[in-house]
Amino acid sequence: DGGITQSPKYLFRKEGQNVTLSCEQNLNHDAMYWYRQDPGQGLRLIYYSQIVNDFQKGDIAEGYSVSREKKESFPLTVTSAQKNPTAFYLCASSGPVDTQYFGPGTRLTVL
Amino acid sequence: LAKTTQPISMDSYEGQEVNITCSHNNIATNDYITWYQQFPSQGPRFIIQGYKTKVTNEVASLFIPADRKSSTLSLPRVSLSDTAVYYCLVARVQGNNRKLIWGLGTSLAVNP
Repeated sequence: DGGITQSPKYLFRKEGQNVTLSCEQNLNHDAMYWYRQDPGQGLRLIYYSQIVNDFQKGDIAEGYSVSREKKESFPLTVTSAQKNPTAFYLCASSGPVDTQYFGPGTRLTVL
Repeated sequence: LAKTTQPISMDSYEGQEVNITCSHNNIATNDYITWYQQFPSQGPRFIIQGYKTKVTNEVASLFIPADRKSSTLSLPRVSLSDTAVYYCLVARVQGNNRKLIWGLGTSLAVNP
């Protein structure tokens, strides 16, 4: 059963803590993406990766970090430097024709 | 890069055809257009993608005029389950670089 998974679904963090969001895909896609979505807003690109061991900053990369050690995995770390991290985080992957397939999302709340 | 603009909201009734237009005045030659559907607290779902003229699949049609400065997503005979937010995306691919410009979404409400 192919797809893209994100965990956890809900995540709570205290101020000043780093937290890592998981994203895994078994679609054999080369490209993976992380987005942030705020209530009533569109999607804003945080980071993307076109190939293993390479990634590029998106429009709002400050306060976030990523790694791409495996094709299937693209974890996102929300660091304490991110001033307003409460949001809905979406991971996506895409194949050769660049159509993005999204995971179910992780809702992060800072307490 | 193209800025994408779409209506904030639309209302319709079951069985009607719905057309949602996205403006992207500064679209470049190699940019392509994709539409997604999103339900609350879920990830967006791909609907249709096109470059020019008309594309049709089992759920929607996409009309792109010759100047490509806009695109129209057409949903035939909508049902209550089509109530969702619809996003327009203009994307540019240059080697390993991607530039993705998402619209802010159109909230479609389908009424009985």
